[in-house]
Amino acid sequence: GQQVMQIPQYQHVQEGEDFTTYCNSSTTLSNIQWYKQRPGGHPVFLIQLVKSGEVKKQKRLTFQFGEAKKNSSLHITATQTTDVGTYFCAVLDTGANSKLTFGKGITLSVRP
Amino acid sequence: NAGVTQTPKFQVLKTGQSMTLQCAQDMNHEYMSWYRQDPGMGLRLIHYSVGAGITDQGEVPNGYNVSRSTTEDFPLRLLSAAPSQTSVYFCASSYHWPGPFSYEQYFGPGTRLTVT
Repeated sequence: GQQVMQIPQYQHVQEGEDFTTYCNSSTTLSNIQWYKQRPGGHPVFLIQLVKSGEVKKQKRLTFQFGEAKKNSSLHITATQTTDVGTYFCAVLDTGANSKLTFGKGITLSVRP
Repeated sequence: NAGVTQTPKFQVLKTGQSMTLQCAQDMNHEYMSWYRQDPGMGLRLIHYSVGAGITDQGEVPNGYNVSRSTTEDFPLRLLSAAPSQTSVYFCASSYHWPGPFSYEQYFGPGTRLTVT
């Protein structure tokens, strides 16, 4: 099945700094989903990307799917303490089983 | 809509005990799944189902059983609990590919299980 990698696992930023993280695959992906999990909470869906080069924005968050569909990025402009949490990318298997496989996630901490 | 509900929220088991984690959704989703989350390991798929009567194994199925007798419910059974099963368990549901809907996964609040 399709697998995705997210490194590093942890990143610390100063409030107001920009933050970018990547999700990489060695194979061409049919789609990418991004989720956010606040400390002590459950994962919450943020976005799904399916087209090569697709860019979607949600307020200060910008998501992009690579032209070759082998990577995706999440960019946060001017981080705030409310951005703290773990961000996961996941790939949906569009074969018979709809299986969703998650990366290990990146945990973002923001210094006020 | 209640979304995805899970019970219990917390559970402590002794090694060798069995129990069932309950999961229910009221969104008429065909696809349901169970994940476990351990520090540094992300979300690992245990079992999943694409509809009533259909289940399949994920990445880490050993020690767990599932069944799907209705669209709404997808219980996870621990047959003989082991300390290695100490984890946070999430149930999730979504529409099934292909279809006209979004495929976002809706997660339940989780069950925090400790096996001593």
